[in-house]
Amino acid sequence: EPEVTQTPSHQVTQMGQEVILRCVPISNHLYFYWYRQILGQKVEFLVSFYNNEISEKSEIFDDQFSVERPDGSNFTLKIRSTKLEDSAMYFCASSEVVWESNNEQFFGPGTRLTVL
Amino acid sequence: LAKTTQPISMDSYEGQEVNITCSHNNIATNDYITWYQQFPSQGPRFIIQGYKTKVTNEVASLFIPADRKSSTLSLPRVSLSDTAVYYCLVGDVNAGNMLTFGGGTRLMVKP
Repeated sequence: EPEVTQTPSHQVTQMGQEVILRCVPISNHLYFYWYRQILGQKVEFLVSFYNNEISEKSEIFDDQFSVERPDGSNFTLKIRSTKLEDSAMYFCASSEVVWESNNEQFFGPGTRLTVL
Repeated sequence: LAKTTQPISMDSYEGQEVNITCSHNNIATNDYITWYQQFPSQGPRFIIQGYKTKVTNEVASLFIPADRKSSTLSLPRVSLSDTAVYYCLVGDVNAGNMLTFGGGTRLMVKP
Protein backbone atom coordinates (compact mmCIF):
# COMPACT_ATOMS: atom_id res chain seq x y z
CA GLU A 1 0.00 0.00 0.00
CA PRO A 2 1.45 3.40 -0.93
CA GLU A 3 2.37 5.60 1.99
CA VAL A 4 3.77 9.02 2.83
CA THR A 5 7.34 8.90 4.12
CA GLN A 6 9.21 11.49 6.13
CA THR A 7 12.84 12.04 7.01
CA PRO A 8 14.42 12.34 9.44
CA SER A 9 12.32 10.68 12.11
CA HIS A 10 13.96 12.85 14.76
CA GLN A 11 15.85 16.10 14.35
CA VAL A 12 17.64 17.89 17.15
CA THR A 13 18.82 21.42 16.50
CA GLN A 14 20.05 24.51 18.30
CA MET A 15 17.85 27.56 18.59
CA GLY A 16 18.43 29.89 15.64
CA GLN A 17 19.49 27.15 13.26
CA GLU A 18 17.74 26.34 10.02
CA VAL A 19 16.09 22.95 9.58
CA ILE A 20 14.61 21.24 6.57
CA LEU A 21 12.08 18.51 7.04
CA ARG A 22 11.54 16.20 4.11
CA CYS A 23 8.52 14.31 2.88
CA VAL A 24 7.78 12.03 -0.03
CA PRO A 25 4.03 12.16 -0.69
CA ILE A 26 2.09 9.36 -2.35
CA SER A 27 3.05 9.43 -6.01
CA ASN A 28 -0.28 10.20 -7.69
CA HIS A 29 -1.33 12.78 -5.11
CA LEU A 30 -1.28 16.43 -6.05
CA TYR A 31 -2.20 18.17 -2.78
CA PHE A 32 0.38 18.33 -0.02
CA TYR A 33 0.12 19.55 3.54
CA TRP A 34 2.15 20.17 6.66
CA TYR A 35 0.71 19.91 10.15
CA ARG A 36 2.38 20.05 13.52
CA GLN A 37 1.55 18.71 16.94
CA ILE A 38 3.18 20.08 20.03
CA LEU A 39 3.49 17.40 22.69
CA GLY A 40 0.15 16.81 24.37
CA GLN A 41 -1.69 19.27 22.15
CA LYS A 42 -3.89 19.26 19.06
CA VAL A 43 -2.78 18.58 15.52
CA GLU A 44 -2.51 22.02 13.88
CA PHE A 45 -2.63 22.86 10.19
CA LEU A 46 0.34 24.79 8.83
CA VAL A 47 0.08 24.93 5.04
CA SER A 48 -1.34 23.30 1.95
CA PHE A 49 0.38 23.23 -1.44
CA TYR A 50 -0.93 22.57 -4.91
CA ASN A 51 0.38 23.14 -8.40
CA ASN A 52 3.70 24.44 -7.07
CA GLU A 53 2.24 27.10 -4.88
CA ILE A 54 0.79 27.57 -1.43
CA SER A 55 -2.98 27.31 -1.54
CA GLU A 56 -3.70 27.98 2.13
CA LYS A 57 -1.71 28.70 5.25
CA SER A 58 -2.43 29.23 8.92
CA GLU A 59 -1.29 32.00 11.25
CA ILE A 60 1.42 29.70 12.52
CA PHE A 61 3.03 29.61 9.08
CA ASP A 62 4.86 32.93 9.31
CA ASP A 63 7.91 34.23 7.45
CA GLN A 64 10.14 31.75 9.26
CA PHE A 65 8.49 28.90 7.40
CA SER A 66 8.67 27.99 3.75
CA VAL A 67 7.71 24.98 1.64
CA GLU A 68 9.10 23.71 -1.59
CA ARG A 69 8.72 20.88 -4.04
CA PRO A 70 12.28 20.78 -5.32
CA ASP A 71 11.75 17.81 -7.63
CA GLY A 72 9.01 15.43 -8.68
CA SER A 73 8.90 13.50 -5.45
CA ASN A 74 10.02 15.50 -2.43
CA PHE A 75 8.07 18.10 -0.48
CA THR A 76 10.01 20.05 2.12
CA LEU A 77 9.30 22.32 5.07
CA LYS A 78 12.04 24.77 6.01
CA ILE A 79 12.21 26.65 9.27
CA ARG A 80 14.73 29.44 8.85
CA SER A 81 15.63 30.25 12.43
CA THR A 82 14.22 27.77 14.88
CA LYS A 83 12.78 28.79 18.22
CA LEU A 84 12.22 26.69 21.31
CA GLU A 85 8.49 26.77 20.65
CA ASP A 86 8.99 25.12 17.26
CA SER A 87 9.66 21.85 19.08
CA ALA A 88 6.89 19.56 17.93
CA MET A 89 6.01 16.58 15.77
CA TYR A 90 5.68 17.68 12.15
CA PHE A 91 3.41 15.65 9.91
CA CYS A 92 3.32 15.73 6.16
CA ALA A 93 0.15 14.63 4.40
CA SER A 94 -1.04 14.27 0.84
CA SER A 95 -4.33 13.79 -0.95
CA GLU A 96 -5.70 13.21 -4.40
CA VAL A 97 -7.50 15.97 -6.24
CA VAL A 98 -11.08 14.82 -5.90
CA TRP A 99 -13.70 17.50 -5.88
CA GLU A 100 -16.85 17.38 -3.80
CA SER A 101 -15.94 14.01 -2.47
CA ASN A 102 -13.92 12.32 0.17
CA ASN A 103 -10.79 14.41 0.72
CA GLU A 104 -8.96 11.74 2.66
CA GLN A 105 -5.56 12.96 3.69
CA PHE A 106 -2.79 10.41 4.12
CA PHE A 107 -0.36 11.30 6.86
CA GLY A 108 3.28 10.37 7.20
CA PRO A 109 4.84 9.04 10.40
CA GLY A 110 6.11 12.47 11.39
CA THR A 111 9.42 14.12 12.21
CA ARG A 112 10.02 14.95 15.84
CA LEU A 113 11.81 18.29 15.98
CA THR A 114 13.58 19.19 19.19
CA VAL A 115 14.97 22.71 19.50
CA LEU A 116 17.50 23.19 22.28
CA LEU B 1 -15.93 25.91 10.58
CA ALA B 2 -18.32 23.92 12.71
CA LYS B 3 -17.16 23.46 16.28
CA THR B 4 -17.13 19.89 17.52
CA THR B 5 -17.46 18.57 21.05
CA GLN B 6 -16.55 15.03 22.03
CA PRO B 7 -15.65 13.33 25.31
CA ILE B 8 -12.06 13.80 26.38
CA SER B 9 -11.58 10.15 27.23
CA MET B 10 -13.32 6.77 27.33
CA ASP B 11 -12.42 3.39 28.72
CA SER B 12 -13.52 0.06 27.34
CA TYR B 13 -12.67 -3.62 27.49
CA GLU B 14 -11.61 -5.95 24.75
CA GLY B 15 -14.50 -7.36 22.77
CA GLN B 16 -16.91 -4.57 23.63
CA GLU B 17 -18.57 -2.22 21.19
CA VAL B 18 -17.49 1.38 21.66
CA ASN B 19 -19.60 4.36 20.66
CA ILE B 20 -18.05 7.81 20.59
CA THR B 21 -20.47 10.68 20.08
CA CYS B 22 -19.54 14.04 18.64
CA SER B 23 -21.71 17.16 18.78
CA HIS B 24 -21.60 19.67 15.95
CA ASN B 25 -24.62 21.92 16.38
CA ASN B 26 -23.65 24.49 13.75
CA ILE B 27 -22.81 22.07 10.95
CA ALA B 28 -23.28 23.67 7.53
CA THR B 29 -25.18 22.21 4.60
CA ASN B 30 -22.01 21.41 2.66
CA ASP B 31 -20.14 19.91 5.62
CA TYR B 32 -19.22 16.26 5.88
CA ILE B 33 -18.36 14.44 9.10
CA THR B 34 -15.03 12.67 9.13
CA TRP B 35 -13.29 10.62 11.80
CA TYR B 36 -9.56 10.13 12.11
CA GLN B 37 -7.61 7.88 14.45
CA GLN B 38 -4.19 8.63 15.89
CA PHE B 39 -1.89 6.18 17.64
CA PRO B 40 0.88 7.55 19.88
CA SER B 41 3.79 9.01 17.90
CA GLN B 42 2.03 8.41 14.57
CA GLY B 43 0.17 10.57 12.10
CA PRO B 44 -3.63 10.62 12.05
CA ARG B 45 -5.33 8.01 9.90
CA PHE B 46 -8.70 8.33 8.16
CA ILE B 47 -11.35 5.98 9.50
CA ILE B 48 -14.70 6.91 8.01
CA GLN B 49 -16.70 9.75 6.53
CA GLY B 50 -20.38 10.45 6.07
CA TYR B 51 -22.95 13.07 5.24
CA LYS B 52 -26.16 11.63 6.63
CA THR B 53 -27.76 8.38 7.86
CA LYS B 54 -25.38 5.48 8.31
CA VAL B 55 -22.06 4.58 6.76
CA THR B 56 -20.21 1.34 7.40
CA ASN B 57 -16.81 0.12 6.34
CA GLU B 58 -14.51 -2.68 7.43
CA VAL B 59 -13.31 -0.69 10.44
CA ALA B 60 -16.27 1.22 11.85
CA SER B 61 -19.79 2.52 11.45
CA LEU B 62 -20.87 6.12 11.50
CA PHE B 63 -24.39 7.05 12.54
CA ILE B 64 -25.70 10.50 11.67
CA PRO B 65 -29.24 11.54 12.70
CA ALA B 66 -31.48 13.49 10.37
CA ASP B 67 -30.66 16.88 11.92
CA ARG B 68 -26.90 16.15 11.54
CA LYS B 69 -26.14 18.01 14.76
CA SER B 70 -24.30 15.03 16.15
CA SER B 71 -22.70 11.83 14.97
CA THR B 72 -21.61 8.57 16.58
CA LEU B 73 -18.58 6.54 15.66
CA SER B 74 -19.12 2.89 16.48
CA LEU B 75 -16.20 0.47 16.80
CA PRO B 76 -17.36 -3.14 17.00
CA ARG B 77 -15.55 -5.56 19.29
CA VAL B 78 -12.54 -3.41 20.14
CA SER B 79 -9.14 -4.88 20.81
CA LEU B 80 -6.13 -3.51 22.70
CA SER B 81 -4.76 -2.18 19.42
CA ASP B 82 -7.74 0.17 19.12
CA THR B 83 -6.33 2.24 21.97
CA ALA B 84 -5.84 5.61 20.32
CA VAL B 85 -7.18 9.14 20.06
CA TYR B 86 -10.25 9.52 17.84
CA TYR B 87 -10.98 12.85 16.20
CA CYS B 88 -14.30 14.05 14.86
CA LEU B 89 -13.90 16.65 12.10
CA VAL B 90 -16.63 18.59 10.37
CA GLY B 91 -16.10 20.57 7.21
CA ASP B 92 -16.06 20.87 3.47
CA VAL B 93 -14.32 17.89 1.90
CA ASN B 94 -13.09 19.55 -1.27
CA ALA B 95 -9.53 18.68 -2.13
CA GLY B 96 -6.94 20.84 -0.49
CA ASN B 97 -9.07 21.92 2.42
CA MET B 98 -7.23 21.93 5.68
CA LEU B 99 -8.28 19.57 8.42
CA THR B 100 -9.13 21.18 11.75
CA PHE B 101 -8.51 18.82 14.62
CA GLY B 102 -10.02 19.26 18.06
CA GLY B 103 -8.83 17.58 21.19
CA GLY B 104 -10.24 14.21 20.25
CA THR B 105 -11.37 11.34 22.46
CA ARG B 106 -8.67 9.25 24.06
CA LEU B 107 -9.93 5.67 24.00
CA MET B 108 -8.25 3.22 26.33
CA VAL B 109 -9.06 -0.45 25.73
CA LYS B 110 -8.26 -2.70 28.67
CA PRO B 111 -7.79 -6.47 28.69
